[in-house]
Amino acid sequence: DTGVSQDPRHKITKRGQNVTFRCDPISEHNRLYWYRQTLGQGPEFLTYFQNEAQLEKSRLLSDRFSAERPKGSFSTLEIQRTEQGDSAMYLCASSLQGWETQYFGPGTRLLVL
Amino acid sequence: GENVEQHPSTLSVQEGDSAVIKCTYSDSASNYFPWYKQELGKRPQLIIDIRSNVGEKKDQRIAVTLNKTAKHFSLHITETQPEDSAVYFCAASNGGADGLTFGKGTHLIIQP
Repeated sequence: DTGVSQDPRHKITKRGQNVTFRCDPISEHNRLYWYRQTLGQGPEFLTYFQNEAQLEKSRLLSDRFSAERPKGSFSTLEIQRTEQGDSAMYLCASSLQGWETQYFGPGTRLLVL
Repeated sequence: GENVEQHPSTLSVQEGDSAVIKCTYSDSASNYFPWYKQELGKRPQLIIDIRSNVGEKKDQRIAVTLNKTAKHFSLHITETQPEDSAVYFCAASNGGADGLTFGKGTHLIIQP
C-alpha cells in the first residue's frame, strides 16, 4: 500500500495519560498535515510540516500537543495529560510541494475515558 | 482566518436524480477548493478539486463550479447511485501553510 498510513488505528486511554500517534506519508511527499475530526464535523487543521520544519500550528492546539517530523519522513503527534475533550479522530495527510492535493490516512481514533 | 459554510447539512435524493451541495468561503486569498467524500469510519477521499483560475471542472458524473466574485463553489452529482451515499466535505485553501479549512459536511442519502 503506497498511501498514507497511520498507527495505531484505535487508542483507548485514561484521562491524564500521554499518547503518541504515528503517520507515514506517501514516500515522495514532503508536506505533512495533522487534522482533528470530531463526530459530525469536518476535519480541523492542527499543524503542518514541510520536510522536517513545522511551519504552522493552529490555535486549536494547546501546549499539551506537540508534533515532530525529525527526518522529514514520518511524523508523530503526542498529546500529554489527555482530557476527555481530546477524544476524536486524528487524521494525517500528505502532499507534494507545488501540488495542493492532500491525501489522507485512515486516521487514529482516540477515546479518553 | 478562512471560514467555510456548507449547505445543506443533509440531502436526500431519489436514485438517478441530481444532487447539489453549496459552499461559501470568506478569504479572497483562497485559491484551491477540493471536495472530499467520507464514508462511515473511513478516510476522506478526494473526489474533485478546482483552482481559482478555472470556473468549472467536470469528471464523469461529478462537476464543480466556482464563482470567485461571490466566493462560492458548488458540487454537482448527476445520475446519483446508491454508492454515492456518504458525507461530502468542501474545503478551501490559499496554498500556504494554513492547511485546508473544511465545511461541516453534507450527509447525502440516495433513496432507492
